[in-house]
Amino acid sequence: GAGVSQSPSNKVTEKGKDVELRCDPISGHTALYWYRQSLGQGLEFLIYFQGNSAPDKSGLPSDRFSAERTGGSVSTLTIQRTQQEDSAVYLCASSFLNYEQYFGPGTRLTVT
Amino acid sequence: ILNVEQSPQSLHVQEGDSTNFTCSFPSSNFYALHWYRWETAKSPEALFVMTLNGDEKKKGRISATLNTKEGYSYLYIKGSQPEDSATYLCAFENNAGNMLTFGGGTRLMVKP
Repeated sequence: GAGVSQSPSNKVTEKGKDVELRCDPISGHTALYWYRQSLGQGLEFLIYFQGNSAPDKSGLPSDRFSAERTGGSVSTLTIQRTQQEDSAVYLCASSFLNYEQYFGPGTRLTVT
Repeated sequence: ILNVEQSPQSLHVQEGDSTNFTCSFPSSNFYALHWYRWETAKSPEALFVMTLNGDEKKKGRISATLNTKEGYSYLYIKGSQPEDSATYLCAFENNAGNMLTFGGGTRLMVKP
């Protein structure tokens, strides 16, 4: 069946602009996660949704980052006033309840 | 801050060699240890989820062991093939929720 999809696959933006990244989880998966991998770093947890609510926002690096999930399905990660240090691969994963997480292909964000 | 470390950071082996690498993680509040295989330009692919001390799991030529008391897991690849070239990630899941904390990965390159 269909896996986790993310869009866009690549995004180049100018410093100071806002960007929105989208994640479509596997149908029926209740939990959704956002991670990012900056150059030379490991995967870093950003935020987790169970249904539409986000019990754990501890990983969001600053108040420029926000995320929402509607209808228990699609999620968007918004980065306002992007900075060069925001350049990274942003990965989304979904799972059914607390079981195995399945990852999307990621969005490569480059802030120039 | 949870400390999940992987070693070595990178590894070059010849086709047919067997190899192994290490993931160390906190021994307290343990819930599960995950191994992922991440090929360039693809999504991370789940290999194993390990929960019990002394667990050993196998998938084809790849196997993993778990020691939760001392906080380490080994991943073994027997008879490496070029298609095994990828970054192998481990991720620690604590018992307070299912956020994953990833190690930095081991980048494996298998030369034909």
